[in-house]
Formats: sequence, C-alpha cells, structure tokens
Amino acid sequence: GENVEQHPSTLSVQEGDSAVIKCTYSDSASNYFPWYKQELGKRPQLIIDIRSNVGEKKDQRIAVTLNKTAKHFSLHITETQPEDSAVYFCALTPSGNTGKLIFGQGTTLQVKP
Amino acid sequence: NAGVTQTPKFQVLKTGQSMTLQCAQDMNHNSMYWYRQDPGMGLRLIYYSASEGTTDKGEVPNGYNVSRLNKREFSLRLESAAPSQTSVYFCASSSLAGGITDTQYFGPGTRLTVL
Repeated sequence: GENVEQHPSTLSVQEGDSAVIKCTYSDSASNYFPWYKQELGKRPQLIIDIRSNVGEKKDQRIAVTLNKTAKHFSLHITETQPEDSAVYFCALTPSGNTGKLIFGQGTTLQVKP
Repeated sequence: NAGVTQTPKFQVLKTGQSMTLQCAQDMNHNSMYWYRQDPGMGLRLIYYSASEGTTDKGEVPNGYNVSRLNKREFSLRLESAAPSQTSVYFCASSSLAGGITDTQYFGPGTRLTVL
C-alpha cells in the first residue's frame, strides 16, 4: 500500500530560526496533503493542508510546498517560538475516494528559547 | 459543538478481556475513522467508515471489530485483548462529499493498557 516517509524524526532549533520537515510518497494519485500538530498528551490538530492543484500555501508563519513531479511535500515554519515545540505529522490520501489518510512517522520539533 | 468525543479516557484490561471504545461526533460528518498511535509509529488506521452503513479495514485491523451505529457514532471493539494492543486510540471524523476529502477532526483519545 501507500507509504509516507517523513524526515527528520527529531529536529532542534533555536527560537527565531526556521524549521523544515519533508515527506516523500509514491502514489501519484494522492491529491490531499494535510499537516497535523500534536502537543504532548493532546489530540492531533490540523495546522495547514494543500491540494494537488496548488504548489504552495501559506498561513502566517507556516507554509507548505508540494512538488508532485518529485512526489514530496514540506512544512516550513519561520520565526519559530517555544510554543511550536510538538510532534508534527504529514499525511496524504491514497488513491480511491475513501477520505482515509496515511500518516508519516512524525517529527519531534524542539524550539530552544 | 462538542466535536468528536471518546469514552473512556483511560482503561486497563487484563489479557483476554473484551471492551468497546465509544466515539461520537456532532459535526454531521459522514466519514469516521479509528487509529492507534504507538511511539515512533505515527497514526495507523485500524478501520474506517466512509458513510453510514459501511465499514472497511485499514492498515492494522486484526484483533478489532467496528460498528457504525448511526451517522454520529462509531465504536471499536476488542474481543480478546492482547498486550500488543496497548496503545492510544483516536477516533476521527471528516466530511467526504463528491470524492473531495476534507479535514479530519480527532477526538481526545483513549489510553489503553493491556496487562
């Protein structure tokens, strides 16, 4: 089945620096790519998503880029703050209109003050 | 709106015991999902229900059964719990219309320990 590879598994940055997390996939039919943030002990929450007809989407300090040809998409966080510290998951919809998501393994982001 | 709710929040079982995890949503979503989350493994889909009256297996269905009771409720049953089923279980729901996937909203999770 579809597989999503997420890198890095851990990322430590200084407050104010940028952070980038990348996911690669194999199913060219995938057309929806959300990113979730999960704080310790909490539920995953959507922070941004992108559809296959768009190459980039931005929401304040967060942006997502999609390269369908190379089959990868990335999360970019600028001007990181300590409250950005969390686990981030990429996901995508595999082929077939079922709405289900396949998740990456997660990236633990630590922002040092 | 409560969004997605799950009960119980915590549960400890002995090997071989059975239990049902309950999930309900009040967002009028047609699709519902059950995931398990283990350290370093991300979220893995157990079962899903694309619409009321239908259920399908996900990546890791063995040892589980589900029931889509109505549009609001989707339960997950462990018939004979095993230590390998120790995990955090999340229910989620989304709106799926015309093949267009929308945001999945998650419940608060159930932390299950099987001894």
